Amino acid sequence: EVQLLQSEPEVKKPGESLRISCQASGYSFTMYWVGWVRQMPGKGPECMGFIYPGDSDTRYSPSFQGLVTISADTSVSTVYLQWSSLKASDSAIYYCARMEDYYDFWSAYHKPKNFDHWGQGTLVTVSS
Amino acid sequence: DIQMTQSPSSLSASIGDRVTITCLASQDISKNLNWYQQIPGKAPKLLIYDASNLKTGVPSRFSGSGSVTYFTLTITNLQPEDFATYYCQHYDNVPSITFGQGTRLEIK
Repeated sequence: EVQLLQSEPEVKKPGESLRISCQASGYSFTMYWVGWVRQMPGKGPECMGFIYPGDSDTRYSPSFQGLVTISADTSVSTVYLQWSSLKASDSAIYYCARMEDYYDFWSAYHKPKNFDHWGQGTLVTVSS
Repeated sequence: DIQMTQSPSSLSASIGDRVTITCLASQDISKNLNWYQQIPGKAPKLLIYDASNLKTGVPSRFSGSGSVTYFTLTITNLQPEDFATYYCQHYDNVPSITFGQGTRLEIK
């Protein structure tokens, strides 16, 4: 059974750093993209970016480029999302999700296309 | 960026009804569209991928159709567990993967 287990809720102050985690099991960790999705209160999901643990290829949505860092550790089948300096506007639920992909012949690249298994979410609260 | 516009933003229906939710893309995305269901307090759940393919384990009362810019999610014979928020999501311009703003389905 595919499972994605996320780290516990966090309460931080503006300016602090943070790393949250997502441990995968039940499938070959290095063969699927894993994405991070932000959901702010009462809003729709937003894809932040994703990583292919097999070769650490990492892509960011333009809205999140430079604001967060996504990484992976294959020895513990875990993907991370980190901030160097949090803002109050980073308060949200963050989900990790495994992504299915398809082969794009134009770019000769396996592109992620959907989020087929999700973690339970990590609530991040940033407040002074 | 490709914009996804869902309608209606909310919808009231009764058990046993049939409902249709629409997702309009701001440009041609072929069939590069998925649908999700989200129950309050839970993660989204993939229902339909590539516009019209039902994910394994999802009841057959859910169906998707459409291509290019116009897509629909139809639920027939509504059940109590179907009352949730539904989102479309395109993947035509990776790494920009965008969700619609959601359609909240409520019990009448």
